[in-house]
Amino acid sequence: QSALTQPASVSGSPGQSITISCTGTSSDVGGYNYVSWYQQHPGKAPKLMIYEVSNRPSGVSNRFSGSKSGNTASLTISGLQAEDEADYYCSSYTSSTFYVFGTGTKVTVL
Amino acid sequence: EEQLVQSGAEVKKPGESLKISCKGSRYRFTSYWIAWVRQKPGEGLEWMGIIYPGDSDTRYSPSFQGHVTLSVDKFTSTAYLQWSSLKASDTAMYYCASLNSTRAFGNWGQGTLVTVSS
Repeated sequence: QSALTQPASVSGSPGQSITISCTGTSSDVGGYNYVSWYQQHPGKAPKLMIYEVSNRPSGVSNRFSGSKSGNTASLTISGLQAEDEADYYCSSYTSSTFYVFGTGTKVTVL
Repeated sequence: EEQLVQSGAEVKKPGESLKISCKGSRYRFTSYWIAWVRQKPGEGLEWMGIIYPGDSDTRYSPSFQGHVTLSVDKFTSTAYLQWSSLKASDTAMYYCASLNSTRAFGNWGQGTLVTVSS
């Protein structure tokens, strides 16, 4: 099971919106609505930001939103803020190996 | 709020054995799968396996099957990750996380840094 594919880096200016893609196959992202997204600041544990493609846990800003089309899921951060600078990982349930993570995306706020 | 607390950093030599822990509190530990995730220095997250504390049902990622062992003590609400013979390539941060009903890793431990060096 290969990792889901994410862009290595995405950047934006404060206040802008950015979107991170997460591409898999019909055996994972495309086959299930169990896609989740995680934010990881340097030296910290990951934090759940989105679950089941588009749902936000309590306490997560509504500037974060998720969606899916076919085998590709996306995380959009609107109104980009300095505190959003972090690494972001997608994850999906998969029929073959239960779970798989994405390759990770470094978000830089210019 | 549910909490997962992991054991402290370890420094080991190649060939040595190791068992690290992840203790859950403030929630029904036996009702949620516990996952283990590896993160090598400067690299991404890798799913290693999951274990259900209620009955110790365990599933491994093919990449880690045979290299590590997951176990759990439901009476102390503690999950374990162990190696019988460490390699330098096992040097990494290891996280435990609880898998919630939405199949997302909802709560994470603080991580255990394992360093394997001669």
